[in-house]
Amino acid sequence: GENVEQHPSTLSVQEGDSAVIKCTYSDSASNYFPWYKQELGKGPQLIIDIRSNVGEKKDQRIAVTLNKTAKHFSLHITETQPEDSAVYFCAALGWSTGNQFYFGTGTSLTVIP
Amino acid sequence: KAGVTQTPRYLIKTRGQQVTLSCSPISGHRSVSWYQQTPGQGLQFLFEYFSETQRNKGNFPGRFSGRQFSNSRSEMNVSTLELGDSALYLCASSPLGPNEKLFFGSGTQLSVL
Repeated sequence: GENVEQHPSTLSVQEGDSAVIKCTYSDSASNYFPWYKQELGKGPQLIIDIRSNVGEKKDQRIAVTLNKTAKHFSLHITETQPEDSAVYFCAALGWSTGNQFYFGTGTSLTVIP
Repeated sequence: KAGVTQTPRYLIKTRGQQVTLSCSPISGHRSVSWYQQTPGQGLQFLFEYFSETQRNKGNFPGRFSGRQFSNSRSEMNVSTLELGDSALYLCASSPLGPNEKLFFGSGTQLSVL
């Protein structure tokens, strides 16, 4: 089935710096890649997503890039703020393995004021 | 619009017991998915229901089951609980299915003693 790997598992940045989280996937048929932010005591919240017919998508300080050939996609957060501190998950929708989401193991991001 | 509501928020059970968790999706959403979240494994897909039918199932034993009612509310049941079933169980809804944005509830934290 699909296998999604996410790195790094923890990330600390100074406020105002950029943060980058990377994910790789194994199923070349996967075509939808969302990113979720999970704050303590809450469920994951979708922050940005990208489909395989697009290489890059941006929403204010957040951007996602997708390289289909290399089968990896990345989350970029610019001008980080303390409220960006949370756990971030990437996911891939695996069509060839039953049309279900496969999640990365998460990145705990800490933004230091 | 109200978000995805999961009850109860916390549960403590002992080995061998069974448990039922409840999920009310966002109004108008017909697809409900369930995920198990553990620190080591991340989010693992359990099953997805659409219009009262199980449309997709993850790789979990038959002790895990679910159902969906005509109003789209869903329940999941775990029988003969094991210590390893301790986890955060998340419900997510979407209008039509997994190729759309998922909206997660805050989850039910199950502890098996």
